[in-house]
Amino acid sequence: DSGVTQTPKHLITATGQRVTLRCSPRSGDLSVYWYQQSLDQGLQFLIQYYNGEERAKGNILERFSAQQFPDLHSELNLSSLELGDSALYFCASSVAGRPQETQYFGPGTRLLVL
Amino acid sequence: EDQVTQSPEALRLQEGESSSLNCSYTVSGLRGLFWYRQDPGKGPEFLFTLYSAGEEKEKERLKATLTKKESFLHITAPKPEDSATYLCAVRSAGNMLTFGGGTRLMVKP
Repeated sequence: DSGVTQTPKHLITATGQRVTLRCSPRSGDLSVYWYQQSLDQGLQFLIQYYNGEERAKGNILERFSAQQFPDLHSELNLSSLELGDSALYFCASSVAGRPQETQYFGPGTRLLVL
Repeated sequence: EDQVTQSPEALRLQEGESSSLNCSYTVSGLRGLFWYRQDPGKGPEFLFTLYSAGEEKEKERLKATLTKKESFLHITAPKPEDSATYLCAVRSAGNMLTFGGGTRLMVKP
């Protein structure tokens, strides 16, 4: 158990809908990262937050957005969902978001768009 | 742009048959090379971090090594419970962790 929690574990929705994924980092970690894992793309970095501020952006679509709240939990919002958005979404956390730090991953949210 | 290539894509071993997984990387200013283990449907589980060429780390039957261009994950006398996908990732001065495609390891009893 990494100490990172994610809810929900599974999510089934329809095309065009909007969903919100939630992540709570390990106790004491200030930085949160979001990743998407699909069969054909592997693990892809989406976005990083540090203490409430956006720190880095990766391959995140404009239909996707995220935020980190004062209690340090983070939410990833996915809108206008398409079939291709079906994937595992992981959250990770690290102490201060520095490049040399280890990121600890949560159990993931499996999203199925029908 | 950082790049990570892992080989082989899949590896079948008999229990007790030692082998190595390869991770080749291209990165501008390596800040860390990370090995993770991932079981089906689960989140990646941290194994090792290596920071500079020549560094080695060990944990039970696993040993990770690092050169300037690649890293190896050596598995000694594997057991069926070592079956998983092993992921390698690199981090440069930017804040992206770039993952390789993984090696799917299957250990038969």
